[in-house]
Amino acid sequence: NAGVMQNPRHLVRRRGQEARLRCSPMKGHSHVYWYRQLPEEGLKFMVYLQKENIIDESGMPKERFSAEFPKEGPSILRIQQVVRGDSAAYFCASSPGQTRSQAFFGQGTRLTVV
Amino acid sequence: AQKVTQAQTEISVVEKEDVTLDCVYETRDTTYYLFWYKQPPSGELVFLIRRNSFDEQNEISGRYSWNFQKSTSSFNFTITASQVVDSAVYFCALTGGYNKLIFGAGTRLAVHP
Repeated sequence: NAGVMQNPRHLVRRRGQEARLRCSPMKGHSHVYWYRQLPEEGLKFMVYLQKENIIDESGMPKERFSAEFPKEGPSILRIQQVVRGDSAAYFCASSPGQTRSQAFFGQGTRLTVV
Repeated sequence: AQKVTQAQTEISVVEKEDVTLDCVYETRDTTYYLFWYKQPPSGELVFLIRRNSFDEQNEISGRYSWNFQKSTSSFNFTITASQVVDSAVYFCALTGGYNKLIFGAGTRLAVHP
């Protein structure tokens, strides 16, 4: 049973470009969480999704950031018109249910904006 | 509001010393989970332990032990006889009704030979 898969592991984008980060949850998991870790900081919750639904996006920046988790395929975190401050590690976690279940983390995508 | 405080930003020890990493949390939930994760220099998150709010038993796993005290809202982590491979950033985290995690700022542990 493969773990949570994130790709790419490293992504370099120029300012103004778009970044698309992918997260394939563990088999049987229908809940996905995205977190951002700025350099030298802890992880901050961004968004919680179930298949085809955004449940909680309280941690998402108001502009340029969006997330989806379609019926088929991976969850996507999309950052439009990236700026240097978007450089961070983005982690995805998945869980089989909403409560009383443990979320498992992927290895993260390290985004560098140049 | 939920909050996790790891007051120790950095700790430096010499190999074989014992070290305790502190974690204090705030929550109004009666049911919650507490976690510790390790983030080595390679960057991935390594799960260490999950503890639910109804289980105050201390836990030991090899050189690792955890002390959960609900009365002081603390969930401290002790590494006995530290090794260089223990050098990492350690995060304490809290979750409420669903699995949204609130992380502390982390404690960077450096173990020197």
